[in-house]
Amino acid sequence: SQKIEQNSEALNIQEGKTATLTCNYTNYSPAYLQWYRQDPGRGPVFLLLIRENEKEKRKERLKVTFDTTLKQSLFHITASQPADSATYLCALDEENYGQNFVFGPGTRLSVLP
Amino acid sequence: DVKVTQSSRYLVKRTGEKVFLECVQDMDHENMFWYRQDPGLGLRLIYFSYDVKMKEKGDIPEGYSVSREKKERFSLILESASTNQTSMYLCASSPGSPNYGYTFGSGTRLTVV
Repeated sequence: SQKIEQNSEALNIQEGKTATLTCNYTNYSPAYLQWYRQDPGRGPVFLLLIRENEKEKRKERLKVTFDTTLKQSLFHITASQPADSATYLCALDEENYGQNFVFGPGTRLSVLP
Repeated sequence: DVKVTQSSRYLVKRTGEKVFLECVQDMDHENMFWYRQDPGLGLRLIYFSYDVKMKEKGDIPEGYSVSREKKERFSLILESASTNQTSMYLCASSPGSPNYGYTFGSGTRLTVV
């Protein structure tokens, strides 16, 4: 069956360290993978897209990798800050043409001062 | 900035009532989606629409219907509300290109008593 897993339900790290979140999937072959941030009581906010032919994408302190052989994406936040505390969701396109994305369960990140 | 506006932030309804959740987007997006989000279950797709008067069932359509009479408006209808429909409901829109991600509304927290 198809499944998306994110490494852990919650992750605590110290301010200034790099946070690494994992998204693993089974029985999908996505052409696109997205990452979102969700704050409590709010809707998710789109952060980054990475395509299947891209190994890595960067945006400010964010870095995303996409390994289609391992069926895994890694999401890194460098020099993390308490303001980065949120739930992070990965999403991949279910039908391989970028219209319909299915979401992972999310990882709740807490950056401790 | 794209805005997706959901008509109510919090809603309390009685079992058996017909409930309308309204969603309006202001950026001429083709695609619109309704999700519910529950702790431990993540985002689950209820219905989506790629065009006016078009609708497709998502993963959990039972007990719901939708209406898209105008491009900017996508309504979710709970035909006869039940307590197991107590949830956070999120509307999203997208332009059809994966580059921009989904834009979500702030959500409606519905409680059915």
